[in-house]
Amino acid sequence: EAGVTQFPSHSVIEKGQTVTLRCDPISGHDNLYWYRRVMGKEIKFLLHFVKESKQDESGMPNNRFLAERTGGTYSTLKVQPAELEDSGVYFCASSQGSRGAPYNEQFFGPGTRLTVL
Amino acid sequence: AQKVTQAQTEISVVEKEDVTLDCVYETRDTTYYLFWYKQPPSGELVFLIRRNSFDEQNEISGRYSWNFQKSTSSFNFTITASQVVDSAVYFCALSEMRQGNKLVFGAGTILRVKS
Repeated sequence: EAGVTQFPSHSVIEKGQTVTLRCDPISGHDNLYWYRRVMGKEIKFLLHFVKESKQDESGMPNNRFLAERTGGTYSTLKVQPAELEDSGVYFCASSQGSRGAPYNEQFFGPGTRLTVL
Repeated sequence: AQKVTQAQTEISVVEKEDVTLDCVYETRDTTYYLFWYKQPPSGELVFLIRRNSFDEQNEISGRYSWNFQKSTSSFNFTITASQVVDSAVYFCALSEMRQGNKLVFGAGTILRVKS
């Protein structure tokens, strides 16, 4: 069974450009999460989808970030326009269950390393 | 408020030494879960263990063991007889029942095991 996949693995863009990150969760997982780690700090939660609905987007830093999960399958995270402080590693995770109960293990993807110059 | 503190930024040991990674958490919830993840050089986060707040039994899995103490709000991780392959970044994390499945991570501890 394939794990969580993320594309691209690396992205280098200039300030002001747009970047779209993609996450394909494990098949059948209703819950999809985005996290990011900036400059060696802790990994921080961005948002949580249950199927195609945003369950919790309290961690989204500002309105330059837009996440979608059309059809409840893969998800995209768009940053527009990108700023220097957006550089970091963006992780996606998925878990089973329709309500994201705390005991459901989250399986993480390898992350996308974003560098904004 | 939820918070996870991993005070050790980096630890270096020689192979076969035992090493303990510290994790201290803060929560106001009575029902919560604690996790450890490993991030090897390849970058992915690998789940190691989950513990719920009602189960303070220590756990051992091969060379890994975990010590959960609610009295000190700690969930420490010990690797016995460390190996070079244990070199990685280790993250402790917390999720609260009332916050859904959102994980709150510590800053991570870099473990370097030298041969």
